[in-house]
Amino acid sequence: NAGVTQTPKFRILKIGQSMTLQCTQDMNHNYMYWYRQDPGMGLKLIYYSVGAGITDKGEVPNGYNVSRSTTEDFPLRLELAAPSQTSVYFCASSLGETLNSPLHFGNGTRLTVT
Amino acid sequence: AQSVTQLGSHVSVSEGALVLLRCNYSSSVPPYLFWYVQYPNQGLQLLLKYTSAATLVKGINGFEAEFKKSETSFHLTKPSAHMSDAAEYFCAVSYDYKLSFGAGTTVTVRA
Repeated sequence: NAGVTQTPKFRILKIGQSMTLQCTQDMNHNYMYWYRQDPGMGLKLIYYSVGAGITDKGEVPNGYNVSRSTTEDFPLRLELAAPSQTSVYFCASSLGETLNSPLHFGNGTRLTVT
Repeated sequence: AQSVTQLGSHVSVSEGALVLLRCNYSSSVPPYLFWYVQYPNQGLQLLLKYTSAATLVKGINGFEAEFKKSETSFHLTKPSAHMSDAAEYFCAVSYDYKLSFGAGTTVTVRA
C-alpha cells in the first residue's frame, strides 16, 4: 500500500517556467489537498478537492491551478513560476467521513525558483 | 475562523527529560484537534487526535495530549525524551474537512 505518492522529489525552475507537481493516492480517499510549507510558517492550504471533478481554493491559491479528473490523482500546476513559489509542497488525502478524519501526507516536493 | 497558535518555535530537551509542546486554539465551536510530527525530509505523520471522547488522548511513540476547554489548550507531552523524538511538531485544527496548522515547534534532544 503506497499511500500518497508525490513526484518529483526535487525540482529547480527558472522564473517564468511552468511545471506540474504530481500526486496520486491508492486509498480511495475522496478528499485531497495541496499545502505549501515555508520555514516558520507552518503549512498553508493552496487548493483542495472533495471528489473527482470538484476543486476549491484554499488560503493561498494565487499562481496555482489544480484538476481532479479521477479519485486517485490531484496534480498541481504552476503556470509562471516566481521566486515566491520556492517552497516545499505537500499533497495529502483523507477519507473525510467525519470532521476529525486525519490527513495522510506524501513526502513532499522541494521546489526552487531562480 | 478556527486557528491554532503554537508557543515556542524551538524546544531543546535532554534525553530522558519531559517534552512539553504548547498549543492554544481559537474556535467558536467544539474543536477537532490534531498533533502531527515531521521527521527530516519526510511528510507529516499523525501523532494523535482529539475526538471529545476523553480529554486525555494517547498517541504513538509515548506522546499524549490533554484537552483543556477552560484554557483553550491542547498541549503535547512525553514523559521521557528519546533521541528519535527530534523532529518538528505541528498542532492543527479541523474546519470544513480542512486542516489549519500552527507554525510548528522544532524539538532537539541533547544527549
